[in-house]
This record gives sequence, structure tokens and C-alpha cells, in this order.
Amino acid sequence: DVVMTQSPLSLPVTLGQPASISCRSSQSLVYSDGNTHFSWLQQRPGQSPRRLIYGISNRDSGVPDRFSGSGSGTDFTLKISRVEAEDVGVYYCMQYIDWPHTFGQGTKLEIK
Amino acid sequence: EVQVVESGGGLVQPGGSLRLSCATSRFTFSTCWMSWVRQVLGRGPEWVAHISPDGSGKYYVDSVKGRTTISRDNAKSSLYLQMNSLRVEDTAVYYCVGFCSGGNYWGQGSLVTVSS
Repeated sequence: DVVMTQSPLSLPVTLGQPASISCRSSQSLVYSDGNTHFSWLQQRPGQSPRRLIYGISNRDSGVPDRFSGSGSGTDFTLKISRVEAEDVGVYYCMQYIDWPHTFGQGTKLEIK
Repeated sequence: EVQVVESGGGLVQPGGSLRLSCATSRFTFSTCWMSWVRQVLGRGPEWVAHISPDGSGKYYVDSVKGRTTISRDNAKSSLYLQMNSLRVEDTAVYYCVGFCSGGNYWGQGSLVTVSS
């Protein structure tokens, strides 16, 4: 299985400050068509996961532009330009190039 | 607004069976890959099963292979998961998830508890 490794696992952030989460995959996530099969998801307390970004840097509908994704191949980053209270939760990276699709361990973002 | 609603969860004894259903609306179900993803309380999600838009392609995580069947009814915009020979370690919230060109849709989840 493709192993997804996130860091940090805990991320205390001051409101209004930036935040960054890294994810590394155990193999390239670039598919034969050139697309990268990678996503970031957010899970707020008590809610279902919600996809934020797919294909490295494409935001889903309704996702604020303070969220951005970057990276290539096996190394990816999620950045939040200015953290807001509603951003509290656990963030997961996910690959869907190979079955089973797999998630990272999760990064818990909290407000300092 | 897109709707994804799971049902059929509950308490079942080890070795028992359960059928989860997922009713969807307001997206083009028949063109989407659909999945069941489960999550143990306090842990990360885990993919369980995945089915192609026409139902011809099915994928299962090793831990449920042989005990679980994913199916869909495109006429009813519904997804199903038949789980047999349930184990204590199958206890989790089960989410129905749609992967479509227009977006990615998650339900609120259905709790399955396997316990004697």
C-alpha cells in the first residue's frame, strides 16, 4: 500500500497567523495522464471529512482562498495564509492513484 | 444542495451481518465513482470499498475482502454495502462518499458497532 506520512501531527497556531502541513507519499502519485492523484481533506470536530484540494492545488467549490496546495511527485504542502477559528480540526492528505486509497495520519490544528 | 444520507447502521453481534444503504440526490450519481470509507472514533479514515460508475469495477480493502459486497442502483441514485461475518474490529462510522467531476461528496456517516 502507498504510505502517506504527514508532519507535524499537532499544529498550534495563533489566529491570523499562517500554517503549513507537509505530506510525503511512498511512491509517485503522478498518473499516466499527467495528473497527480492527491488530495487534502479537512475534518472539523464532530463533522464528516470534507475535501479541500484535489490534484495538488485545485480548491473545491466553497473553499476559501486562504487555503492553497503545492508540491509534486511525492512531496506536498497545504498552506493556510491566515488561520481563522473555523479552521480548527484535523487535516488529512490522501492518495487515490493506487488501491487501496490511503490517508495520512492526520494533523490536528488548534488555536494557541 | 447535494444530499448523501447513510442508513442501516446499528449494533450487531460478532459473526452477524448488516446492510448499509446510501441515498443521494442533486448530483449525477450515475457518473460518479462511489465509495464506503470508515473511521474508528479518534482515528483516521480508512477506505473500505470502491465501485465504478457502471458497477463493473469493485475494489475492497484486504481486511473486508470476501466478507463484504459493494453495489449500486443508478436508477435510484443509491449505494449499498453488505457486510457479513462482522468482527469487533469492523466497529466504526461508515461514510458514503461520491467522487464526481463536479466535486467530492460525503455523508454524515452511519455507526456500526460489533459487540456481544
